[in-house]
Amino acid sequence: KNEVEQSPQNLTAQEGEFITINCSYSVGISALHWLQQHPGGGIVSLFMLSSGKKKHGRLIATINIQEKHSSLHITASHPRDSAVYICAVSTGNQFYFGTGTSLTVIP
Amino acid sequence: GAVVSQHPSRVICKSGTSVKIECRSLDFQATTMFWYRQFPKQSLMLMATSNEGSKATYEQGVEKDKFLINHASLTLSTLTVTSAHPEDSSFYICSARDWRGADTQYFGPGTRLTVL
Repeated sequence: KNEVEQSPQNLTAQEGEFITINCSYSVGISALHWLQQHPGGGIVSLFMLSSGKKKHGRLIATINIQEKHSSLHITASHPRDSAVYICAVSTGNQFYFGTGTSLTVIP
Repeated sequence: GAVVSQHPSRVICKSGTSVKIECRSLDFQATTMFWYRQFPKQSLMLMATSNEGSKATYEQGVEKDKFLINHASLTLSTLTVTSAHPEDSSFYICSARDWRGADTQYFGPGTRLTVL
């Protein structure tokens, strides 16, 4: 069993739709990261969370420590949001990564 | 914001040659840098943890003589793939931990290695 589980694995949405990607983890963590991987392979760190909620532009990330669950939301999705979104958690000394969610936003 | 760079972004080499990949933290000092490898359609896999001024700690199954890591300064870590083979073709990513925040980690954009 993976320490980090993401869902869905693949997601196709129409432009403008509200998107949610979920991440569940089974280890005690000090922080959770949401990463974005562009089609060319480059990775961008979107958020680092240890509690509550963060917002950056159209992106919102929430975390529930008690439930060991995080969500990444994209409002008013756009084709340029098409990418792989990876959830990663750190225990302080080790990182665990989810397998990613491949998002395609259709114009 | 903090930036981590990698060079080169893409490299193609012949089998048997060695390739060096650089990871630099551009506006902060990183006492710890991490190297990851991504196999196609799989998530990132931690290869090793690099601490400035000391030997890297390799994850189980990663050959330290094959993947040489040097962290000579607080802003630079290098990964050298020695005697590269086609199975080493992969996407290599580094991240750097800001010394001021134990869990603040920034990722480089990655290096695509293709071994012919």
